[in-house]
Amino acid sequence: QKEVEQNSGPLSVPEGAIASLNCTYSDRGSQSFFWYRQYSGKSPELIMFIYSNGDKEDGRFTAQLNKASQYVSLLIRDSQPSDSATYLCAVFDNYGQNFVFGPGTRLSVLP
Amino acid sequence: DTAVSQTPKYLVTQMGNDKSIKCEQNLGHDTMYWYKQDSKKFLKIMFSYNNKELIINETVPNRFSPKSPDKAHLNLHINSLELGDSAVYFCASSSRGSGNTIYFGEGSWLTVV
Repeated sequence: QKEVEQNSGPLSVPEGAIASLNCTYSDRGSQSFFWYRQYSGKSPELIMFIYSNGDKEDGRFTAQLNKASQYVSLLIRDSQPSDSATYLCAVFDNYGQNFVFGPGTRLSVLP
Repeated sequence: DTAVSQTPKYLVTQMGNDKSIKCEQNLGHDTMYWYKQDSKKFLKIMFSYNNKELIINETVPNRFSPKSPDKAHLNLHINSLELGDSAVYFCASSSRGSGNTIYFGEGSWLTVV
């Protein structure tokens, strides 16, 4: 069973700080990685995807991938209270043609 | 225009009833999914269809039966509902052309009483 793990949190950061969210995955053959944000009572929405080792930046968000360590992270710079949500890491399982989600990390940005 | 739409959004029903949730996507994707999110917020795959064919059928009770009349629709029928079926059910779709990104519907909140 392929697994994706995240710290459940809550992770609390002050407004304006950098929030760092981490994710590890079990399937060394995975090639596609995604970060989703889910507000309470809403559906998950895509923030970023990353396929290659290294960093990928999009506005205040940076995804980092290290396939050798089977580790993917999401950095949120200048955190805002509106960033408070649950962040879900997802890995595409090429064999099963399925997206495997982690349990999510609840982020709270304190004003 | 909603990309992935599912109905109903809220459903309260009694134990033992049979209910259906419908899902439609207008993104032209070839793969559709049903995920279940329980009270602990864990998103777990239930079924996946690719071009109307079942490709994933995780360990779910056979009271749950998906049906895909065409690749734009994937419905979920649940027989003999139990208290433990209370959860949020998300329909989703993806396509290799979209970089395998998965897009979710708004969710269907099912409460069994």
